[in-house]
Amino acid sequence: DVVMTQTPVSLPVSLGGQASISCRSSQSLVHSNGNTYLHWYLQKPGQSPQLLIYRVSNRFSGVPDRFSGSGSGTDFTLKISRVEPEDLGDYYCLQSTHFPWTFGGGTKLELK
Amino acid sequence: EVQLVESGGGLVQPGRSLKLSCAASGFTFSDYNMAWVRQAPTKGLEWVASISYGGSNTHYGDSVKGRFTISRDNAKSTLYLQMDSLRSEDTATYYCAREKFGVPAYWGQGTLVTVSS
Repeated sequence: DVVMTQTPVSLPVSLGGQASISCRSSQSLVHSNGNTYLHWYLQKPGQSPQLLIYRVSNRFSGVPDRFSGSGSGTDFTLKISRVEPEDLGDYYCLQSTHFPWTFGGGTKLELK
Repeated sequence: EVQLVESGGGLVQPGRSLKLSCAASGFTFSDYNMAWVRQAPTKGLEWVASISYGGSNTHYGDSVKGRFTISRDNAKSTLYLQMDSLRSEDTATYYCAREKFGVPAYWGQGTLVTVSS
């Protein structure tokens, strides 16, 4: 199974500041069709997860451009610029290139 | 608007069975792959199972393979998860999700399953 290592576990930030979360996979996430199925979610307290970024760098519908994803192969990053209060919560990466799909362990974005 | 409403959760004894349902609306259910994802209390997300839009292809996480069965009724726009031989470690909130771009993109509010004697 593909192991997704997400760091850091906790990330204190200041409002208006920038945050960066890393996700590394134990094997390449490039699918045989050429796509890379690495995605990012935010789960706010008491809510269901919401998709932010799909296939490495594509923002999902309604996601502000403060969120950006990058990376390739086994190394991926989610960046949040100009952090706002509604950005606080738990962030997860997910790989859906290989079955079984696997999530990273999560990163809690909290106020410094 | 995409709506997914899970039901069927509750308290069940270890070794017993439970069947979850997810009623879908706001889209053509038979056009989309679907998935179940769970989250144990205070823990992270775990993918459970996926099913293709026609129902012919299914995939399972290692921890539920052989015990859980995902299925769908496209005529009723409903997704199911049959859970047998339940264990305490299956205690979690179970989310139904619709795929888009090869990823669970739309999620329901979840239903809580508690396995305990």
